[in-house]
Amino acid sequence: GIQVEQSPPDLILQEGANSTLRCNFSDSVNNLQWFHQNPWGQLINLFYIPSGTKQNGRLSATTVATERYSLLYISSSQTTDSGVYFCAVKETSGSRLTFGEGTQLTVNP
Amino acid sequence: DADVTQTPRNRITKTGKRIMLECSQTKGHDRMYWYRQDPGLGLRLIYYSFDVKDINKGEISDGYSVSRQAQAKFSLSLESAIPNQTALYFCATSGRRGNTGELFFGEGSRLTVL
Repeated sequence: GIQVEQSPPDLILQEGANSTLRCNFSDSVNNLQWFHQNPWGQLINLFYIPSGTKQNGRLSATTVATERYSLLYISSSQTTDSGVYFCAVKETSGSRLTFGEGTQLTVNP
Repeated sequence: DADVTQTPRNRITKTGKRIMLECSQTKGHDRMYWYRQDPGLGLRLIYYSFDVKDINKGEISDGYSVSRQAQAKFSLSLESAIPNQTALYFCATSGRRGNTGELFFGEGSRLTVL
């Protein structure tokens, strides 16, 4: 099956800093999503982005499907951005999403 | 109100007991999923259903069973719970027939098996 690797596994920032999270995948995909799991365990949809670039406030994402990676940008980070960020992909020939192991982000005040 | 509702949200039980986790959705989606998350790890797929009469095993279906009672309801059962089934369980839905579809999660059910 498809392999999904997220980096870095852990990231610690000071409030106000910018960051880039990366998701590499091993096969062609037709579905890619970014999720934020907050400290209470809730999974929040950030982006549905099988290709191209999207922005939502301080967050933006870019997927380059031909090169098999996606990037999540967080600008001017806030303590409420803390949590785990998951990338999930569905290969073109498959039927369900495969999750990466996540990036644990801690934003300190 | 949440579009994808899971009950119970927290449950503590003993080894050998039968447990059912329920999921209902108001999104009108045809596809429903059950995932398991262990501490510090990503999500793994237990079972999924693309329609009322369709049930498919995921990566880790052993020890679990499911029932799709209606388009809006999908329940997960542990026939005889064991401690290594202690985890956070998520129900999810997606709405597109075919090969694509954005996934939406419920708020999770935290299960502890003593």
